Amino acid sequence: NAGVMQNPRHLVRRRGQEARLRCSPMKGHSHVYWYRQLPEEGLKFMVYLQKENIIDESGMPKERFSAEFPKEGPSILRIQQVVRGDSAAYFCASSPNSGRAYEQYFGPGTRLTVT
Amino acid sequence: GDSVTQMEGPVTLSEEACLTINCTYTATGYPSLFWYVQYPGEGLQLLLKATKADDKGSNKGFEATYRKETTSFHLEKGSVQVSDSAVYFCALSITGNTPLVFGKGTRLSVIA
Repeated sequence: NAGVMQNPRHLVRRRGQEARLRCSPMKGHSHVYWYRQLPEEGLKFMVYLQKENIIDESGMPKERFSAEFPKEGPSILRIQQVVRGDSAAYFCASSPNSGRAYEQYFGPGTRLTVT
Repeated sequence: GDSVTQMEGPVTLSEEACLTINCTYTATGYPSLFWYVQYPGEGLQLLLKATKADDKGSNKGFEATYRKETTSFHLEKGSVQVSDSAVYFCALSITGNTPLVFGKGTRLSVIA
């Protein structure tokens, strides 16, 4: 029973490039959340998605950041024209559709470094 | 807005010492409360949870009790081990399928 998968685990981008982070939720989960962790900080919510829908993007920066969760395939967090301040660990979590809907299971994260 | 405040670290303890990490919360509703643990270089793992007042969550020797009157959810362990060295995050969720609100984390180092 595979957990939440994220890839790549480490990503290095130069300023101005695009970063694409992928997340496959646990089997049977259709709710996906993205969080960002800055060095020595807690996790900050970015966006909550269900299949083909963005439910809550109140934590997403207004520019350069976008997220999707298509009907088929993983959820994608895209950062265009990356800047040094985007360097962080990005975590994806998924939760069940019902029952223990409040439990979120986290992936190992993608550590983005912008040079 | 909803928020979580936990004691700042780092906390350094000797093996077999007692651990308490304080966590208090502010929420408009009746949240579910969680402790997550993050080992070096890894993602977060759910350590324990409590969904209503007076519930006690427990796992791997760790315990936390949901105290509505003091809006607290302190993490405790009677005897820590070197393998408990990690960062511990307190978090809340107001309802199912809503984003978690995290504290800043407390780094614990246990020395032999």
